Amino acid sequence: NAGVTQTPKFRVLKTGQSMTLLCAQDMNHEYMYWYRQDPGMGLRLIHYSVGEGTTAKGEVPDGYNVSRLKKQNFLLGLESAAPSQTSVYFCASRDRQGPLQETQYFGPGTRLLVL
Amino acid sequence: AQSVTQLGSHVSVSEGALVLLRCNYSSSVPPYLFWYVQYPNQGLQLLLKYTSAATLVKGINGFEAEFKKSETSFHLTKPSAHMSDAAEYFCAVSDKGGSEKLVFGKGTKLTVNP
Repeated sequence: NAGVTQTPKFRVLKTGQSMTLLCAQDMNHEYMYWYRQDPGMGLRLIHYSVGEGTTAKGEVPDGYNVSRLKKQNFLLGLESAAPSQTSVYFCASRDRQGPLQETQYFGPGTRLLVL
Repeated sequence: AQSVTQLGSHVSVSEGALVLLRCNYSSSVPPYLFWYVQYPNQGLQLLLKYTSAATLVKGINGFEAEFKKSETSFHLTKPSAHMSDAAEYFCAVSDKGGSEKLVFGKGTKLTVNP
């Protein structure tokens, strides 16, 4: 199993450009999450999904949109990138029930630089 | 709402010395607590978690943590640091009972000196 994968690994955008980050998991997990990590801030939840076709806002959702059209994929979109969105983005997934419930599994991250 | 405070954004120890990383939580209900580790340029990996089965939890790589309800703490320890332990460590909390979300602390960067 590949676990949680993220595409791309690194991207440079100009202010105002748009892009989509892709997260894929092959563990048949119900829940998926997008976080951003900034120095000294820890991980902050952007959006999350508790199942196919459902999404919800996290702590810092402004400027981002998400979609969960397929259970295994969770997309994070930036419609008009801003320098404040320069960050490292992590995707995570977890099972809804079972002995490993509530353990989140993380992807390797996407580094985004907005100029 | 639950929250996590990690005391010390940077901790430096000598190889072979005790590692102690501090985490205090606040939660309105008995929580689940987690420690994750992040090696440079990688994602987060679960070190250990507390789910009320035992107050002393053993994790991977020789780490352990003790849940102390009276002190609302879940400090991470390792008796003898190794150079490979150099990483950033995150404490996280979720409400027991199937909460969808984890709340992370701001992280503690551990440096191990030879």
